[in-house]
Amino acid sequence: GAGVSQTPSNKVTEKGKYVELRCDPISGHTALYWYRQSLGQGPEFLIYFQGTGAADDSGLPNDRFFAVRPEGSVSTLKIQRTERGDSAVYLCASSQGISPLHFGNGTRLTVT
Amino acid sequence: LAKTTQPISMDSYEGQEVNITCSHNNIATNDYITWYQQFPSQGPRFIIQGYKTKVTNEVASLFIPADRKSSTLSLPRVSLSDTAVYYCLVGGPNNNDMRFGAGTRLTVKP
Repeated sequence: GAGVSQTPSNKVTEKGKYVELRCDPISGHTALYWYRQSLGQGPEFLIYFQGTGAADDSGLPNDRFFAVRPEGSVSTLKIQRTERGDSAVYLCASSQGISPLHFGNGTRLTVT
Repeated sequence: LAKTTQPISMDSYEGQEVNITCSHNNIATNDYITWYQQFPSQGPRFIIQGYKTKVTNEVASLFIPADRKSSTLSLPRVSLSDTAVYYCLVGGPNNNDMRFGAGTRLTVKP
């Protein structure tokens, strides 16, 4: 079946602009995670959804970052007033119960 | 903070067995141990998962001692294509608190 899909695969934006990154999880997976990964680093946890609600958003770096999952399926990560330090690969993963995380290939965000 | 500690890097040669150990001293009773592999420009990919003792699948084995404070991923007869970063994670039944550490960068040489 289809895996986790993330769009766009690449996004270039100017400093100060607003961006939205989309994640389509595996059908039926109730848990959804967002991570951010910089070169040479492990994925940095941002937020975790169980269904429609954010069960843990403690990894969001500041209030410019926000994520939604209104129908318990697709999720959107929103970044306001982007800064150059936001440049990274943003990874999404989904899972169900104790099953392992299934990752997408990420969105590479470049803020110029 | 990540709940696991791994060596930063390891080198090996083709055909050798590689063992990567992960420390998770504060593992909770309900936590599972899961290992992932990541290649450049890709998301992490599941390798193996276990709770206790030994688990084996077609690509790896996972050894977990009785106290569960560590685990060892064993890759038999590695090839050049096994060059990647390997992460261990511990998490509960609902997979909450899934935080990655820095991982172990394995380099397989010819």
